[in-house]
Amino acid sequence: AQTVTQSQPEMSVQEAETVTLSCTYDTSESNYYLFWYKQPPSRQMILVIRQEAYKQQNATENRFSVNFQKAAKSFSLKISDSQLGDTAMYFCALVKKFDKIIFGKGTRLHILP
Amino acid sequence: DTGVSQDPRHKITKRGQNVTFRCDPISEHNRLYWYRQTLGQGPEFLTYFQNEAQLEKSRLLSDRFSAERPKGSFSTLEIQRTEQGDSAMYLCASSPSRDREFSTDTQYFGPGTRLTVL
Repeated sequence: AQTVTQSQPEMSVQEAETVTLSCTYDTSESNYYLFWYKQPPSRQMILVIRQEAYKQQNATENRFSVNFQKAAKSFSLKISDSQLGDTAMYFCALVKKFDKIIFGKGTRLHILP
Repeated sequence: DTGVSQDPRHKITKRGQNVTFRCDPISEHNRLYWYRQTLGQGPEFLTYFQNEAQLEKSRLLSDRFSAERPKGSFSTLEIQRTEQGDSAMYLCASSPSRDREFSTDTQYFGPGTRLTVL
C-alpha cells in the first residue's frame, strides 16, 4: 500500500521568512511522481511543484523548492521569502504513472504579517 | 484552456434525496478523476475514467454512488438516498495522460462541489 505522511498539522511563520514543510511516503513502486499541492482558503487545489522519482535533481519553481531524498522516502517543500498569499493548506501527494493520487493529511500554513 | 469546471459549486439537500454533480475536464484530457474531501483532511480517491471507461472504483464508493463519463467528455457523479455522512467537498481532476514512459501525469483540479446534507 502507498502512504503519505505529513507530521506537521499546522505552522506559522513571519512574512519574508523561509519555511520547510515535511513529508514522508511509502511505496513499492520504482516509477512514481511526487507533488506538492496548495489549497488556499477558496479551496481550489493548485499544483505547486512536482518531482519525478527517477530524477535525482531537486525540482525548483521560483520561491518553491524540494528536498527529495529517495532512499529515505522523504520529500520536503521549502518556501523562501514567504508571502501572505502563501497562506494555505499544503498537501504532499504521491502518484504512480497514470493512477490515482494518494494525499497526505495536509499542513496548514499561516504567513503572518 | 479554461481549466476544469464543476457544477454546482454548492449543493444543500435533505437526507434521502438524490443529487448529481457535473465535471467538465480540460479539453482533450482523457483521464478524469473524482475525489472526496472532508473538512480538515486530504482528498480521497473515489473513481477514475480513461475516456469513457471507468477503470477503478474505491471502496469508499458505495452502491449509492454512481459515476459516468459518456462519450469520454464530461462526467457526472450521482449520489442516491443521501446521508449526512456524504457531506463533503467533491473534487474532480483531469490529466493529459500520454502513452510515454515518463509522462508527467499532472492532475489539474476543479473548484469542487460542496455538498451539505441536512
